Amino acid sequence: DSGVTQTPKHLITATGQRVTLRCSPRSGDLSVYWYQQSLDQGLQFLIQYYNGEERAKGNILERFSAQQFPDLHSELNLSSLELGDSALYFCASSVGMVGTGGTGELFFGEGSRLTVL
Amino acid sequence: AQSVTQLGSHVSVSEGALVLLRCNYSSSVPPYLFWYVQYPNQGLQLLLKYTSAATLVKGINGFEAEFKKSETSFHLTKPSAHMSDAAEYFCAVTPFYSSASKIIFGSGTRLSIRP
Repeated sequence: DSGVTQTPKHLITATGQRVTLRCSPRSGDLSVYWYQQSLDQGLQFLIQYYNGEERAKGNILERFSAQQFPDLHSELNLSSLELGDSALYFCASSVGMVGTGGTGELFFGEGSRLTVL
Repeated sequence: AQSVTQLGSHVSVSEGALVLLRCNYSSSVPPYLFWYVQYPNQGLQLLLKYTSAATLVKGINGFEAEFKKSETSFHLTKPSAHMSDAAEYFCAVTPFYSSASKIIFGSGTRLSIRP
């Protein structure tokens, strides 16, 4: 058990819909990362938050947004869903960031599997 | 910019044989390097990490990796494969000096173990 909790574990929805994925990081971790894993794209970095602030952005679509709340949990919002958004979405957390006391080691949740029909 | 290349999307070895998973990185600054493992229906977990200390890094489950700056490589090895090692393995890189870390993962190598 990594200590990172993701809900829901599975989600099936239709094209055009909107969903919210939730992540609770390990106790004490200030950084939260979101990754998308699909068969054709591999593991793609989406976005990172540190203590409530966005710190790095990857290949995140404009239809997707995220935030980290004061209690450090994070939500990833996916809207206007398309078939190609079907994937496993991982949240990971770390104590800090490289250069600010952290070594970059990530602790991953078990993922939220999104199926868009 | 950083990038990671994992050679071989699928590697198959016999039980008891040497495991060698290849990773080459590109980084404009000194890197931190990692190997993660993903078992079926689970998230990724850290196997080992290089953070500029010893170049030969030992991890969990008998795995180790050697950082070779001249070859920009960080290959993962295990002397004797076990059936329980069957999983997907990811190499990852992040810059050593960064206030906004962006950890980049390779495309992964699926390891199969033959009885």
